[in-house]
Amino acid sequence: GAGVSQTPSNKVTEKGKYVELRCDPISGHTALYWYRQSLGQGPEFLIYFQGTGAADDSGLPNDRFFAVRPEGSVSTLKIQRTERGDSAVYLCASSLTFASGGTDTQYFGPGTRLTVL
Amino acid sequence: AQKITQTQPGMFVQEKEAVTLDCTYDTSDQSYGLFWYKQPSSGEMIFLIYQGSYDEQNATEGRYSLNFQKARKSANLVISASQLGDSAMYFCAMSLGGNTPLVFGKGTRLSVIA
Repeated sequence: GAGVSQTPSNKVTEKGKYVELRCDPISGHTALYWYRQSLGQGPEFLIYFQGTGAADDSGLPNDRFFAVRPEGSVSTLKIQRTERGDSAVYLCASSLTFASGGTDTQYFGPGTRLTVL
Repeated sequence: AQKITQTQPGMFVQEKEAVTLDCTYDTSDQSYGLFWYKQPSSGEMIFLIYQGSYDEQNATEGRYSLNFQKARKSANLVISASQLGDSAMYFCAMSLGGNTPLVFGKGTRLSVIA
């Protein structure tokens, strides 16, 4: 079946502009995650959705970052007043939810490379 | 807080040889999951293998096996019969179960030499 998809694959913007990054999870996956990966680093957690609600947004660096998942499927990560330090690859992942116990494997999309000039 | 440490920034291995990528973790929780992902130059994170903290047997998936030593808090990835296509970044990650977010290490770049 289809994997996690992310659009756009690349985004170049100017400092101060607003950007939206989109993630389409694997069909049937209720959990959706956003991570940010800077050059030479492992991914760092931003926010996690269970269904439509943000279950954990503790990784969002500041209030310029916001994410939504209005219908429990597609999610959009929104960054206001972009700064050069926001340049990174933004990765989305999704997973099933086990009813009891277990650990859910997260499957990642190809990422969006954001460059802020 | 959880932490993953990968001490090998880069590794080289001859084609068809086996290689071990090191990973140590730190958590005070008893229930957790350990993962390895591969990230080729294309950028996508590809899931390789999973080990639960209560699993008694080491996980295996084809040419990948996870050498889980709970007392040492290590979860090393062993790749047998290396192939040129195995050249990539490899990340070790941990979660505390269910849908909790992953915490990643800094990764190891593996280069397979013909």
